[in-house]
Amino acid sequence: DAGVIQSPRHEVTEMGQEVTLRCKPISGHDYLFWYRQTMMRGLELLIYFNNNVPIDDSGMPEDRFSAKMPNASFSTLKIQPSEPRDSAVYFCASSKRTGTANGYTFGSGTRLTVV
Amino acid sequence: QKEVEQNSGPLSVPEGAIASLNCTYSDRGSQSFFWYRQYSGKSPELIMFIYSNGDKEDGRFTAQLNKASQYVSLLIRDSQPSDSATYLCAGNAGGTSYGKLTFGQGTILTVHP
Repeated sequence: DAGVIQSPRHEVTEMGQEVTLRCKPISGHDYLFWYRQTMMRGLELLIYFNNNVPIDDSGMPEDRFSAKMPNASFSTLKIQPSEPRDSAVYFCASSKRTGTANGYTFGSGTRLTVV
Repeated sequence: QKEVEQNSGPLSVPEGAIASLNCTYSDRGSQSFFWYRQYSGKSPELIMFIYSNGDKEDGRFTAQLNKASQYVSLLIRDSQPSDSATYLCAGNAGGTSYGKLTFGQGTILTVHP
């Protein structure tokens, strides 16, 4: 099992540019989560999907953020246009079933720096 | 009020001591609770979960849950320098948001030799 795979690991971009973060969940997991982590705010849930359908996007900070899950093995988080305050580590996590011993398995994260 | 709150720390303990990490939650509908460990620059990894009142032990780790007091704790016995990390408490949201885990801010633990 390769785990949750995120790409890229690091991204440096200029303010105003579009940024796309990618995630491949663990095969067979039917929940996928996008989190953002900063020193000030900790881990914040942005959006999560169940069976490729967005269930709760109340954590998405602004219309500049969008997320898609076109199939069970791929999800993207897009920021357009990016701003310096978007600089953070973005984690993708997946789960086979929530509320049980499985918890979440996190990917390695994407460290985004917007200059 | 944050949904999940942790004692802010940082917490420093000597090697071999017991480290006690605490967490409170506000959503009475929450049913399951998780402890994650996060090393600097790494992603969180699950180390314990608990959903029944009482204690649950796994090796040097003991999770405790008191639903009446809305309190969760993690005890690490015989602390080792390799236990130095940030510990995150998380609870699942109740009701229609059952799939959603909410994390506390984390407690930084340092175990010094």
